[in-house]
Amino acid sequence: DAGVIQSPRHEVTEMGQEVTLRCKPISGHDYLFWYRQTMMRGLELLIYFNNNVPIDDSGMPEDRFSAKMPNASFSTLKIQPSEPRDSAVYFCASSARRNNQPQHFGDGTRLSIL
Amino acid sequence: AQSVTQLGSHVSVSEGALVLLRCNYSSSVPPYLFWYVQYPNQGLQLLLKYTSAATLVKGINGFEAEFKKSETSFHLTKPSAHMSDAAEYFCAVSDFPTANFGNEKLTFGTGTRLTIIP
Repeated sequence: DAGVIQSPRHEVTEMGQEVTLRCKPISGHDYLFWYRQTMMRGLELLIYFNNNVPIDDSGMPEDRFSAKMPNASFSTLKIQPSEPRDSAVYFCASSARRNNQPQHFGDGTRLSIL
Repeated sequence: AQSVTQLGSHVSVSEGALVLLRCNYSSSVPPYLFWYVQYPNQGLQLLLKYTSAATLVKGINGFEAEFKKSETSFHLTKPSAHMSDAAEYFCAVSDFPTANFGNEKLTFGTGTRLTIIP
């Protein structure tokens, strides 16, 4: 299996620009998670989906962040407008429905906002 | 809400020595517990998981962890460290599953960076 695929791997952009991060989960997985990792705050869950429906978005930091999952094989995390404090590594993970099957992580997108 | 505490943000051991990474959890219900490893510039990979079966759980790469309810601990060990074990290790606990969903979110500890001394 191809694993969770994230793009781009690295993104450098200027403050105020719109940023879109993309994720393709493992085929057949019906849960998708977006995480953010920083030195200061560690690994934080931002939002997760089940069968393309957002279940818990309580970790989304503010209205500048939005996430969508238009179909079972694609999700986006968008930041508009971006700010320097959004600089972090963003991970996508997916898992299957069976109880506590492990989450499989992508390699992440390293985002730098100048 | 569940939480995990990883004692020691940095641990250094000599090659061939015992590896012990500590994790304590807080949970009001029987927890499901996980250890993940993260190598540089990569995502997290599952090492092992505890889901209320055997209390001693064996994982990949020679790692194992023991669930001790009385101590609310789930420490990760490996008898003999290898240079390739250098990475960051995360302990995680799952929220108790809701009635409607078969999966749930994980709460991660702050991580322990393991350095292996040649």
